[in-house]
Amino acid sequence: GDSVVQTEGQVLPSEGDSLIVNCSYETTQYPSLFWYVQYPGEGPQLHLKAMKANDKGRNKGFEAMYRKETTSFHLEKDSVQESDSAVYFCALSDRGDSGNTGKLIFGQGTTLQVKP
Amino acid sequence: EAQVTQNPRYLITVTGKKLTVTCSQNMNHEYMSWYRQDPGLGLRQIYYSMNVEVTDKGDVPEGYKVSRKEKRNFPLILESPSPNQTSLYFCASSTDYNSPLHFGNGTRLTVT
Repeated sequence: GDSVVQTEGQVLPSEGDSLIVNCSYETTQYPSLFWYVQYPGEGPQLHLKAMKANDKGRNKGFEAMYRKETTSFHLEKDSVQESDSAVYFCALSDRGDSGNTGKLIFGQGTTLQVKP
Repeated sequence: EAQVTQNPRYLITVTGKKLTVTCSQNMNHEYMSWYRQDPGLGLRQIYYSMNVEVTDKGDVPEGYKVSRKEKRNFPLILESPSPNQTSLYFCASSTDYNSPLHFGNGTRLTVT
């Protein structure tokens, strides 16, 4: 079945460091790809999205490129800030040949803790 | 204000005592979904609904029921809760399944 695997556990960069959080997916269909961010005590919220291959999602200095050839959607930022600290989830929605499947698959989440 | 409202925020119950977690959205969204969040497992989809009276199983539906009698409401029912259903639950909605989700603030359920 469909799956999403992302960088495990915690990432602990210092403020000003560059960041890559890996996300790889498996599906037989044509997904849309998302990154969601979750702050303490809140539900996740959309961070950025890409609807088809070679699209690039952008938000608040973060970017992610939808790469069909490597089935990846890595989250990148040139210079992280303390305020970026949160849990990040990579997700795919499965389009399917026969129409909408309605299924949304999330990765296990990556905790970003930026040191001041 | 556009929002997804879940109640209660916190719930402690005992094994076998039926409970319902309510979810309501005021955005006229067609798509609604329930997730549970567990450490190391991310968000796993329990059930979803593409429209009124249309529901389908996600990846972890065992032990849960849902209904979608009205567009705005999508309650999650645990007929006989067990300790392995202790988790953080989120309801979410969107215009359609391929659009960004709006999440509620979560319900932390403990089953003893």
